[in-house]
Amino acid sequence: NAGVTQTPKFQVLKTGQSMTLQCAQDMNHEYMSWYRQDPGMGLRLIHYSVGAGITDQGEVPNGYNVSRSTTEDFPLRLLSAAPSQTSVYFCASRPPLDRGHGYTFGSGTRLTVV
Amino acid sequence: DAKTTQPNSMESNEEEPVHLPCNHSTISGTDYIHWYRQLPSQGPEYVIHGLTSNVNNRMASLAIAEDRKSSTLILHRATLRDAAVYYCILRERNTPLVFGKGTRLSVIA
Repeated sequence: NAGVTQTPKFQVLKTGQSMTLQCAQDMNHEYMSWYRQDPGMGLRLIHYSVGAGITDQGEVPNGYNVSRSTTEDFPLRLLSAAPSQTSVYFCASRPPLDRGHGYTFGSGTRLTVV
Repeated sequence: DAKTTQPNSMESNEEEPVHLPCNHSTISGTDYIHWYRQLPSQGPEYVIHGLTSNVNNRMASLAIAEDRKSSTLILHRATLRDAAVYYCILRERNTPLVFGKGTRLSVIA
C-alpha cells in the first residue's frame, strides 16, 4: 500500500492563478480531509469528506473547492491563488470506524504564492 | 468543539520517560481523546487514542483521569526521534480531526 499520496510536493503560483492539489489513498478509507499549516502554526481544517459524493467545510474553507467523485481521490482546488494561501497542505484519510488506528497523513504539498 | 490545553513546550533527557499533560475540562461523554505527533518537516502521525480506560500500544501509553478532565501521554523511553510537536485532540466519533497548538517536545542527548 502506498498510503496517502500528495502531488505535487512543491509548487509556486502567481497571484490569481488556479491549480489543483492532488490527494489519493489506496486503503479504501471513506473519510478524507484537507489541512493547511502556516509556518510555526498548527494545522487548520479546510474541507473534509465522509465518503464519495459528500463534502463539508472545515475551519478555513474560503478560497478552496473540493469534490469527491471516487473513494480514492480528494482533490483540493485553489480558485484564484493569493499570497495568504502560501502554506503547507496536508491530506489525510481514515477508515469508517475507529479500529485502533487513526488518520493517515500524506507528506504534504508546499505551496508558495507570489 | 471541546478544547484542550497543553503546555507550549517541554524538554526531556534521552532514555528517560516523558509525561505530556493535556487538560480538557469541558470534555463530553462522547469525546474520544486522540494524540498525534508531528516530526519536523513531516505530516502528523497517529500515536494513540482512548475513551475512558488507559491504553497502551507500541508507541506510547495514554493515562486518562477518572473524571476524564485530563489525560497524559507517556513515552516510556524518549529517544531523539521522539522530538516533535504532540497534539492532544478531542473528537467525537465520525467527526473531523481539529488540531490545537500542541506541545513541542525537545529531547536532549
